[in-house]
Amino acid sequence: DAGITQSPRHKVTETGTPVTLRCHQTENHRYMYWYRQDPGHGLRLIHYSYGVKDTDKGEVSDGYSVSRSKTEDFLLTLESATSSQTSVYFCAISVGGPNTGELFFGEGSRLTVL
Amino acid sequence: GQQVMQIPQYQHVQEGEDFTTYCNSSTTLSNIQWYKQRPGGHPVFLIQLVKSGEVKKQKRLTFQFGEAKKNSSLHITATQTTDVGTYFCAEVTSGTYKYIFGTGTRLKVLA
Repeated sequence: DAGITQSPRHKVTETGTPVTLRCHQTENHRYMYWYRQDPGHGLRLIHYSYGVKDTDKGEVSDGYSVSRSKTEDFLLTLESATSSQTSVYFCAISVGGPNTGELFFGEGSRLTVL
Repeated sequence: GQQVMQIPQYQHVQEGEDFTTYCNSSTTLSNIQWYKQRPGGHPVFLIQLVKSGEVKKQKRLTFQFGEAKKNSSLHITATQTTDVGTYFCAEVTSGTYKYIFGTGTRLKVLA
C-alpha cells in the first residue's frame, strides 16, 4: 500500500464547519493527489501536489484548498463544508514517475455533511 | 477539458460469461492505466498501456490500446465471482501530473 494512511477514516459534520482531511505517506514520494468518489461520477481529481508547497487544481477544486508543507503530508481542507461535499475522499501517490507511475490509494475517508 | 468516457456504466453477467468495458477519450492519450476497485475498497492498479495497438494479458484479463491511442478496452474471459467490482480507466495528460479517471464500469457476477 506504499505506506499511505488517511485520517480521519469517517467523519460526520455540520454544514458550514471547517474540515481537514490528512494524507500521510512514509516513502517520500513526490506526487500526491486528492480525489472524491460519488456514485455515477467515478473518481474526480480535486487537487494534486508535485512537491512541497507545489500544488495545482484538478477537475473539481471549488470549495477545497490543500497544503503540503512537508513531503509526507498532504492536507485537504473544506473551509465551510456543504452537503454537496458529502463523499468518499481518496488520497493517492504516484510511484514510478509523474506521467507513467502507478497510483497507490489510501483506504479512503468517508465524510458526511449534515 | 479532458473527458474520459467509459461504457457501460453497469454490467451484470452470469459466472462464466465474458465481460468487456470500453474507455474512450476525446484526445490522443500518451498512456492509459486500468484500476479495479472491490466493493468497499480502494482502487488498485492493474496495468498500463503505452504503445499504439498494444495488447497485454493478465490471466483471464486482456487489455488493449487503440491504434489511434484514443480508446482502450478491458476484456475478462469466463468471469468469476472474484471479478466483482468497479473497473476504471485513467489517462494521464501529457505534460502535467494529472490522472483523470473514467466514470467506471461496475461489474456484478451472478453465481
